[in-house]
Amino acid sequence: DQQVKQNSPSLSVQEGRISILNCDYTNSMFDYFLWYKKYPAEGPTFLISISSIKDKNEDGRFTVFLNKSAKHLSLHIVPSQPGDSAVYFCAAPSRGGSEKLVFGKGTKLTVNP
Amino acid sequence: NAGVTQTPKFQVLKTGQSMTLQCAQDMNHEYMSWYRQDPGMGLRLIHYSVGAGITDQGEVPNGYNVSRSTTEDFPLRLLSAAPSQTSVYFCASSYSNGANVLTFGAGSRLTVL
Repeated sequence: DQQVKQNSPSLSVQEGRISILNCDYTNSMFDYFLWYKKYPAEGPTFLISISSIKDKNEDGRFTVFLNKSAKHLSLHIVPSQPGDSAVYFCAAPSRGGSEKLVFGKGTKLTVNP
Repeated sequence: NAGVTQTPKFQVLKTGQSMTLQCAQDMNHEYMSWYRQDPGMGLRLIHYSVGAGITDQGEVPNGYNVSRSTTEDFPLRLLSAAPSQTSVYFCASSYSNGANVLTFGAGSRLTVL
């Protein structure tokens, strides 16, 4: 039973346009959500998070939106840059403690110049 | 600061061989964990530790052992390697307070023939 789902394996956008990456979840008790970015041959790096009591969090070009009624969150990147090309994972703390994260399967974003 | 250091970066094993993946962090993080990443599967938690002397199982623990004798080190042992353990392994660490923002190592790619 996958608690965090990313249903789009890949996304391709033009440089300067908006990238929207989506994530659905099944557990309404998650306290917060995180997005990680991963380049090939590197470990994932933290990008942005959002508390379950908020519906939006913004950090520069990156904004995460949370729709609790739909159990859906999305990551917006505006404007998209070629250096944003990477795999993006959404994650949430597993039942039992924040020391364990459950990850979605990831979405590979390609930003074309 | 080196962050999270994993060794080796690459390893090829034969079925039945044993080995240890090393992980060390220099950030004085309480939490440490091991994830594996397989194509189309995202990251899955193998084992984790909330402090020295304390370990517990994650989502996919079978075939792996861990120990945490110091705050800095969290080795992952494969007792008898199987082809199903071919994967990329990531070690991660974090502080114990607040949202669990993991810092990941660069990964260890293991192939079991």
